[in-house]
Amino acid sequence: QQQVKQSPQSLIVQKGGISIINCAYENTAFDYFPWYQQFPGKGPALLIAIRPDVSEKKEGRFTISFNKSAKQFSLHIMDSQPGDSATYFCAASITGGYNKLIFGAGTRLAVHP
Amino acid sequence: KAGVTQTPRYLIKTRGQQVTLSCSPISGHRSVSWYQQTPGQGLQFLFEYFSETQRNKGNFPGRFSGRQFSNSRSEMNVSTLELGDSALYLCASSLGSGGRNEQFFGPGTRLTVL
Repeated sequence: QQQVKQSPQSLIVQKGGISIINCAYENTAFDYFPWYQQFPGKGPALLIAIRPDVSEKKEGRFTISFNKSAKQFSLHIMDSQPGDSATYFCAASITGGYNKLIFGAGTRLAVHP
Repeated sequence: KAGVTQTPRYLIKTRGQQVTLSCSPISGHRSVSWYQQTPGQGLQFLFEYFSETQRNKGNFPGRFSGRQFSNSRSEMNVSTLELGDSALYLCASSLGSGGRNEQFFGPGTRLTVL
């Protein structure tokens, strides 16, 4: 119940295309869903986060879509650029559960020019 | 503002030894969390400290321990190292400890156990 399932494991997209990464969870107590981006040799960096009372959140080229009934959320990267090539992690946490993040397995994105 | 710093960045130890890793959070941040990252298990929560108190602990054996000092700096210790402890150890700092606080990650300490 504590798991967050992420797919696909890897993704290749052409420059200018849309990258879509999906995550699913079981624990309905989760109420905070951040996405992190990690480049080789670096720690994860927060990209964008959403709460379950919102169905969509957009920041620049990055959009989170959230489906509470399906217990799924996804990251869309519009106009994907080679600089977006990185590993992306979805995560979930519970308010009151302190700062414990449960991470998905990660998606390695490669954007080809 | 300086980011989260972790020392050392790389460490090589042998089985049975112990190791101490250090994390300095962003100035003003009172919460420090530790995560283990491996290719097989991904990112796993180890524990969180807030105001020198352990708030939450992940599913790791007692060989993994930590502490936090009054200046919010944190250390984690792994005793009796095993080959499977080879990993990237990440610490993350945040202002508070409420579950929705943005966590800022350091670059990690790469531990190799031979």
